[in-house]
Amino acid sequence: EDQVTQSPEALRLQEGESSSLNCSYTVSGLRGLFWYRQDPGKGPEFLFTLYSAGEEKEKERLKATLTKKESFLHITAPKPEDSATYLCAVTSGDYKLSFGAGTTVTVRA
Amino acid sequence: NAGVMQNPRHLVRRRGQEARLRCSPMKGHSHVYWYRQLPEEGLKFMVYLQKENIIDESGMPKERFSAEFPKEGPSILRIQQVVRGDSAAYFCASSSGGDEKLFFGSGTQLSVL
Repeated sequence: EDQVTQSPEALRLQEGESSSLNCSYTVSGLRGLFWYRQDPGKGPEFLFTLYSAGEEKEKERLKATLTKKESFLHITAPKPEDSATYLCAVTSGDYKLSFGAGTTVTVRA
Repeated sequence: NAGVMQNPRHLVRRRGQEARLRCSPMKGHSHVYWYRQLPEEGLKFMVYLQKENIIDESGMPKERFSAEFPKEGPSILRIQQVVRGDSAAYFCASSSGGDEKLFFGSGTQLSVL
């Protein structure tokens, strides 16, 4: 069974204070690793898909990287609007995603 | 471009009642997935459907839970004889098929009294 562990559970940052979120995974044949953002009371919003070790993707202040055992989501110079829960998920098949419990990021102005 | 629509947003049921959760996928999407999210836990896969077909229901409890995606109309997740442990947020997602990029709705928060 695919397993995803995210750390830390919660992260409090000052505006402009860069940091990283970790996603460790165990999967039999990784087909894709996904990062989603979830705001309170809403569904997850797709951010990135990574397929192979060494791959990197960027979007505004976010950058996702992938190794054979883990992925990092780097937040550079965060703003209060970056406050959200960030979810990591993996798939070893065609459609079934296994999600981590998420990291809740709070950015203070 | 309407996204994935779920209703109701909040549903309160007493133990033993039935709950019906609806999901209309994004326009052009024919693949629907249901996930359940419990407090402090990650989203858990329940079922994957295409029009008129259940492709994979391995994540769905074998009793009291059923899902359908008819030729016309929304996908329905039905929970019969609800118990307190069914209280959770239920999310629907859709895709066009061919990749795993899912678009999620805003969810239905089910509360069982």
